[in-house]
Amino acid sequence: EAQVTQNPRYLITVTGKKLTVTCSQNMNHEYMSWYRQDPGLGLRQIYYSMNVEVTDKGDVPEGYKVSRKEKRNFPLILESPSPNQTSLYFCASSRPSGRGRGTDTQYFGPGTRLTVL
Amino acid sequence: GNSVTQMEGPVTLSEEAFLTINCTYTATGYPSLFWYVQYPGEGLQLLLKATKADDKGSNKGFEATYRKETTSFHLEKGSVQVSDSAVYFCALALTNTGNQFYFGTGTSLTVIP
Repeated sequence: EAQVTQNPRYLITVTGKKLTVTCSQNMNHEYMSWYRQDPGLGLRQIYYSMNVEVTDKGDVPEGYKVSRKEKRNFPLILESPSPNQTSLYFCASSRPSGRGRGTDTQYFGPGTRLTVL
Repeated sequence: GNSVTQMEGPVTLSEEAFLTINCTYTATGYPSLFWYVQYPGEGLQLLLKATKADDKGSNKGFEATYRKETTSFHLEKGSVQVSDSAVYFCALALTNTGNQFYFGTGTSLTVIP
């Protein structure tokens, strides 16, 4: 079954304690992204990757890191989480659109609800 | 810049009512346009998409037409069901550069029997 998986699904942590949220896709997609979803703000892109070892900042990258060492995995790292990073996080993957370097339909993971106390 | 503006919610309709959720966009290139749906506790699922002007995306009775002249991609359904209750997101993807998606803020729809 084609899917994007995220772990953990729920996490409660304290300020300053480093954490990693994993994301994996089995569709051999080149592109992957991380989003955060907050009430009234919709989804905002944190980081995206267009291939292995190629990552770029989205709209809200501050306080986050990513890596893309393998095509299927795209972990999100919070080196020193703060309460304003409490949010619902989604990973997504897609392939190039074929019309250029842009992206086609994104497939989303089930989400990770993070609470930073 | 690039952005998506969609109609504020929440929207409450009776079963079999007509649905319109407005979406307008601003884009620097030639975007593809999408509607995603999010059911409670789940991730986003693609509902429909259109990749060029005048294209009509359709799925499960929902339709949206890519209108370049009005920069709009309004979602419509002729007769909603209780099972359509969800949050709907309009989004654009730039097709000529990068892996960048821009989402609207979402519109919550509740359909009552």
